[in-house]
Amino acid sequence: DVKVTQSSRYLVKRTGEKVFLECVQDMDHENMFWYRQDPGLGLRLIYFSYDVKMKEKGDIPEGYSVSREKKERFSLILESASTNQTSMYLCASSPSGGNSYEQYFGPGTRLTVT
Amino acid sequence: GQNIDQPTEMTATEGAIVQINCTYQTSGFNGLFWYQQHAGEAPTFLSYNVLDGLEEKGRFSSFLSRSKGYSYLLLKELQMKDSASYLCAVTDSNYQLIWGAGTKLIIKP
Repeated sequence: DVKVTQSSRYLVKRTGEKVFLECVQDMDHENMFWYRQDPGLGLRLIYFSYDVKMKEKGDIPEGYSVSREKKERFSLILESASTNQTSMYLCASSPSGGNSYEQYFGPGTRLTVT
Repeated sequence: GQNIDQPTEMTATEGAIVQINCTYQTSGFNGLFWYQQHAGEAPTFLSYNVLDGLEEKGRFSSFLSRSKGYSYLLLKELQMKDSASYLCAVTDSNYQLIWGAGTKLIIKP
């Protein structure tokens, strides 16, 4: 059974804190993605990675960075959390081949920045 | 710009049929996905269309017309567990995935 796990379901942080969101997949997928999801908006891509140590900016990378040191793990970092980063964060993975294959999503992390 | 349009919310009755539409304007086209997302949960894959026509999978079917930039998801014999948001997403010519905002489907007994 395919699985994508995220380190926390709920997280509350203070403005200015550095925040780490971890994502692990056990499907040996090459592609991994970080999205945020806000009411009334579609999923918005923050960063993605097609290989270890490789990263590409998505549509809204400002205020975020990522790390992919191992194939199965993709981390999202909020360097200095701000209230406008309060959101649901979803990690996903897919096999290689661009976006012609379905993405498998983790359960999401609901982050609140106060 | 790139855009995907879906109705924000729809209501249907248990046992009935509902059609959720999706129209898109993207720079090229390399496939269209439908995902289901229950409240507070992750999206899960429902269907993928790359050629025109209807793809049937049990109670769910998905239709695509590339010339019209249009797709729909058809849900038959609605069950209460079908209450969820349904997300339409299109892969453009650069193989980037563009997501719609989703349609919240409410099923009433």
